[in-house]
Amino acid sequence: SQTIHQWPATLVQPVGSPLSLECTVEGTSNPNLYWYRQAAGRGLQLLFYSVGIGQISSEVPQNLSASRPQDRQFILSSKKLLLSDSGFYLCAWMFGTTNYEQYFGPGTRLTVT
Amino acid sequence: EDKVVQSPLSLVVHEGDTVTLNCSYEVTNFRSLLWYKQEKKAPTFLFMLTSSGIEKKSGRLSSILDKKELFSILNITATQTGDSAVYLCAPNYGGSQGNLIFGKGTKLSVKP
Repeated sequence: SQTIHQWPATLVQPVGSPLSLECTVEGTSNPNLYWYRQAAGRGLQLLFYSVGIGQISSEVPQNLSASRPQDRQFILSSKKLLLSDSGFYLCAWMFGTTNYEQYFGPGTRLTVT
Repeated sequence: EDKVVQSPLSLVVHEGDTVTLNCSYEVTNFRSLLWYKQEKKAPTFLFMLTSSGIEKKSGRLSSILDKKELFSILNITATQTGDSAVYLCAPNYGGSQGNLIFGKGTKLSVKP
């Protein structure tokens, strides 16, 4: 069965510090991978998606970036965090291009102070 | 602009009640609509709907899609306190990439 992992589970970072969140998927190959953010009082917002290694598409311009160095690894980064980057970051995966079910990892709660 | 509107935003019921949650959407290149349940953690998948008029059912939960009128409903019968959560509706847009646009959710509180 497929499993998706995210770490860390929680993170408190000062403004201006760098960020690296990691997501890995087990039990599948060549999944589509997604990064979402859920800010307080707002809905889930798609940030990035990837259909393969090295292929990243951005949905929302911001100071975040994403990379996919391996088939089942997806990384979200920032060089300098802003207060507005606080939120619940979720990684999700989808297998194939005809079954559109997406499954979420456990998430990372980021607080920028 | 793609958008999703869920109603009501919040709902308080008592155990045993039946509830209906609504989701209307406007998206380009619509492929499917997904429902999720979110407690104080990551959303968990409930249903994916692709065809109009075909009800999907799982226990006390059921859902149906109307592609002509661009809406979906999620029904929960005989509610239990464990049904308390935020229910999210997410149509898929943009073709094979599978991108989802989420509504703000309906917060359901079930009182004993």
